[in-house]
Amino acid sequence: ETGVTQTPRHLVMGMTNKKSLKCEQHLGHNAMYWYKQSAKKPLELMFVYSLEERVENNSVPSRFSPECPNSSHLFLHLHTLQPEDSALYLCASSQDPRGSSYNSPLHFGNGTRLTVT
Amino acid sequence: DQQVKQNSPSLSVQEGRISILNCDYTNSMFDYFLWYKKYPAEGPTFLISISSIKDKNEDGRFTVFLNKSAKHLSLHIVPSQPGDSAVYFCAARHNNAGNMLTFGGGTRLMVKP
Repeated sequence: ETGVTQTPRHLVMGMTNKKSLKCEQHLGHNAMYWYKQSAKKPLELMFVYSLEERVENNSVPSRFSPECPNSSHLFLHLHTLQPEDSALYLCASSQDPRGSSYNSPLHFGNGTRLTVT
Repeated sequence: DQQVKQNSPSLSVQEGRISILNCDYTNSMFDYFLWYKKYPAEGPTFLISISSIKDKNEDGRFTVFLNKSAKHLSLHIVPSQPGDSAVYFCAARHNNAGNMLTFGGGTRLMVKP
């Protein structure tokens, strides 16, 4: 497999469920990201894991919990979500450009379409 | 407050003509700009980028122009092809923020045969 792979592609869950989104990158990158795309809104950065640091968007609710066990795998754990959390969740990876003169674009997976009922 | 804006939600162009997609930004600390293309049911794919030290970057049919004084960039596609029909996102990176990108809302381009 190549690139960035996300599973599942579609997920329907109730507000009391607990589920996890999975992302795996095969590009040798050292940074991974979660983005959220809601209808008619720009892509919104949720979390970054880069050079063993975690950076988060302070506006993301605690019902979203990321986990990055190594540089190739990224999870987003979901619990007690709300219907307004329904969106496309995109994972991306890149090389962290800090300490390098090389600008590395983000490579995205195809996303998980989440519906909260 | 959106720091990266794409004011045209959609654009329709005839095949063979030029497509011009525009993007405005407000943060003068952005130092690297990118364009992504997104087809339905797929993730965004990287198209072309430009560093703030340049004013133009060209790759085949795609050219990105940067006007720093106006805080404006544009993507030119010439000649446009029906396969270019997609949503195009402009993104910008802060020079002190690793590789965290701020995205615009996207412009849907439709190229008519």
